[in-house]
Amino acid sequence: DTAVSQTPKYLVTQMGNDKSIKCEQNLGHDTMYWYKQDSKKFLKIMFSYNNKELIINETVPNRFSPKSPDKAHLNLHINSLELGDSAVYFCASSPPFAQGLYGYTFGSGTRLTVV
Amino acid sequence: QQQVKQSPQSLIVQKGGIPIINCAYENTAFDYFPWYQQFPGKGPALLIAIRPDVSEKKEGRFTISFNKSAKQFSLHIMDSQPGDSATYFCAASSLIGNEKLTFGTGTRLTIIP
Repeated sequence: DTAVSQTPKYLVTQMGNDKSIKCEQNLGHDTMYWYKQDSKKFLKIMFSYNNKELIINETVPNRFSPKSPDKAHLNLHINSLELGDSAVYFCASSPPFAQGLYGYTFGSGTRLTVV
Repeated sequence: QQQVKQSPQSLIVQKGGIPIINCAYENTAFDYFPWYQQFPGKGPALLIAIRPDVSEKKEGRFTISFNKSAKQFSLHIMDSQPGDSATYFCAASSLIGNEKLTFGTGTRLTIIP
């Protein structure tokens, strides 16, 4: 039973298109994240939601819009895709540190290729 | 701004050797230092983590050494195996506040038989 699942796993699309990536976690965590991993493997946080509330929004173009319909889901919508958006996008979730169990659980990633 | 610096970028070690990966941080507010392991086509997975109140932590063949005054920490893998070949990321976070993880740039480790 997958803890953090992302769909689709691969996404190939043309410049200018709009696309969405979906993420679901069944761990009961309150906090969810989107990370971008570029071609050099660098992991950079994009957004974080805590119980459906946006708490981190790192200098990301406003073409990227996250949405959290409930605390188990965090989706990422990207408008007007550009070549530079090609990367692997990871969803992750974590429990609050106060519970004494801390660590991110990552999904397996969505490889986005813009052509 | 690169707040967590990781080296080396890549590392090749013979089976049974002890690869060492080093990280340095700048933000003195960081108080949680995990290491993640990533295999090709998979997401990073938590390997081991340390808080600054201890100087060393061991879990199986993996050891974190932590030097608070130098703001450095490192991962050692004892008796390394070809199955340990992966990309390793150090990370740091302040557990007060928004708890986001800042990752190092990654080390591609290859263990040769």
